Amino acid sequence: ETGVTQTPRHLVMGMTNKKSLKCEQHLGHNAMYWYKQSAKKPLELMFVYSLEERVENNSVPSRFSPECPNSSHLFLHLHTLQPEDSALYLCASSQDGQGAGYGYTFGSGTRLTVV
Amino acid sequence: QQQVKQSPQSLIVQKGGISIINCAYENTAFDYFPWYQQFPGKGPALLIAIRPDVSEKKEGRFTISFNKSAKQFSLHIMDSQPGDSATYFCAASGDMRFGAGTRLTVKP
Repeated sequence: ETGVTQTPRHLVMGMTNKKSLKCEQHLGHNAMYWYKQSAKKPLELMFVYSLEERVENNSVPSRFSPECPNSSHLFLHLHTLQPEDSALYLCASSQDGQGAGYGYTFGSGTRLTVV
Repeated sequence: QQQVKQSPQSLIVQKGGISIINCAYENTAFDYFPWYQQFPGKGPALLIAIRPDVSEKKEGRFTISFNKSAKQFSLHIMDSQPGDSATYFCAASGDMRFGAGTRLTVKP
């Protein structure tokens, strides 16, 4: 399997639930990212990991907690979410940090609905 | 703070026509300008990219025009096809900033 794989593809959760999103890349990239994509809004960068170290956290609420156990895997742990957190969550990877010069490879995303 | 402004938000083009999407950036330190294509239910995929040392890059029916002095760049899709119907995002790096996206519809 190649590319960036995200699971699950769809997730419905209540506001009191705890769930996790998983991302796996098979490209040998050194950097991984979480983005939030909402309707009619630009892609919002949430977290950046470079060589398994978090290098950026764009003022994301603490109800979102990332984890990067190794350079191939990235998780986003979710708890006590709000309905406005419903969105498509995209994982991406790049050869270097910030994608400078190489672009990103995105997964297909997890469509999250908070009820 | 949105550092990459993209227009139009939506675009309808007849089959065989030219689709043009524009982006403007603010940070002169940006040194890599990719365009991404996103189909429904999929993540964005890198389509074509340009660096600021060239003014134009062409790959098949897709061309990026880059104007460094104006801090603008655009995507041109020649001979647009219904299969090109998707959302297109421009981006700028250093620290990858995305435009808001353009939803392109190509009518048969």
